[in-house]
This record gives sequence, structure tokens and C-alpha cells, in this order.
Amino acid sequence: GNSVTQMEGPVTLSEEAFLTINCTYTATGYPSLFWYVQYPGEGLQLLLKATKADDKGSNKGFEATYRKETTSFHLEKGSVQVSDSAVYFCALSPQGGAGSYQLTFGKGTKLSVIP
Amino acid sequence: DTAVSQTPKYLVTQMGNDKSIKCEQNLGHDTMYWYKQDSKKFLKIMFSYNNKELIINETVPNRFSPKSPDKAHLNLHINSLELGDSAVYFCASSQMRGRETQYFGPGTRLLVL
Repeated sequence: GNSVTQMEGPVTLSEEAFLTINCTYTATGYPSLFWYVQYPGEGLQLLLKATKADDKGSNKGFEATYRKETTSFHLEKGSVQVSDSAVYFCALSPQGGAGSYQLTFGKGTKLSVIP
Repeated sequence: DTAVSQTPKYLVTQMGNDKSIKCEQNLGHDTMYWYKQDSKKFLKIMFSYNNKELIINETVPNRFSPKSPDKAHLNLHINSLELGDSAVYFCASSQMRGRETQYFGPGTRLLVL
């Protein structure tokens, strides 16, 4: 079956530090890949996505590149801010078929950024 | 305007009670979902409806019954609540085309005492 594995948290960084949150997946074919962010007390918001190999998703200074050869979609940001403190979820949507609308999530990585 | 809304935001109740959570979306989407997020933040899909028809029904106790009166609404009714049902329940919606973004509601925090 499909699965998503992301690095265990929590991750604590100082403001302006570089962020990487690793995400790898297991799925057949070419799934779509997503990063969602959940701020404290809120629902999930789409941060970025990529739908085919070598695509780069980007938003709010965050980037992730769809790497088919390593089945990875690592999230990066060059300089984090206190306002980036949240839980980050990597997710996939399978390629085609009856389950193509079903998101499979990783377990989430909590990021805390300190001033 | 709120895209995906849920009511109530908080729900505290006793074991054995029956409760409902309502979800509405104004995005014109044809597919809606219910997810459960446990205390460790793990998210798992429970149900999905497309055009009022059930298309995903994961392994969920039959005490949970979704109902979709129309494409814009998906409600979740829970019978005989148990302590283990305490969680945050999220509603989401998207277009059926599969790779479209899912938009999430703010969540309903259920606490069963």
C-alpha cells in the first residue's frame, strides 16, 4: 500500500536558520506529492505541491522537489521565522484509479522556531 | 467567506452519548472527506463522498455514520461515544479529479469523558 515517512520531530531552530524536513514515500507510478502546514489550533493548509517528477513546488520561501529516483519530497527553507512554527505534514495522492483522491499523510513534524 | 466550515468547534460529552458534527463547503467541490487526527497528530482518512455517494469507507467502527444531504454538506454522526473517540475531526473538500488540492476545515475537537 501507499505510505509516507517523514522525519520525527520535534525540530527546534533559531530564527534565520536553514530548515530541512525529510519526506520519503512508497507508491506505484507517479503520485502527486504535497506539503501541508497546521498552525496551532487551526486546520491544515496546503503549503506546496508537485504532480510530476522533477517538479519543484514553492510557496512562502519553502521549496520541495519531487525526486522519483529517491522517492523523496524534502521540504526546505533558507531562513525560518518564528511565524513558521507549526506542524508540517507530507502527503501523497496516488496516480489515477479509484484511490486517486485519497491523501495518505506522514505523521507530521513539529517545528518550533525561537527568536 | 469561510471555504470549509465545521460546527461545533469544541465538543465535550459523556461516554455513551450520541453526537453530530456538521461540515459545509462553499467552494463548489464535488468531493468531501472526514479525517481523524489523534493525540499524536496522526491524520487518517475515515470517509469520502463524491456527489453524495460514499466512495471511501476506511476501517471505522459502524458507530460512525456519515451523511451527505447535498454536495456542499457532509455530516458525521457518532453513536455510543467511547473514550477512544476523543480526537480532532477534520472535514475537507476537493474536486474529484484526484490530484486537486484538498481544503480543510478548522477541525472539531471532541473530548469524551
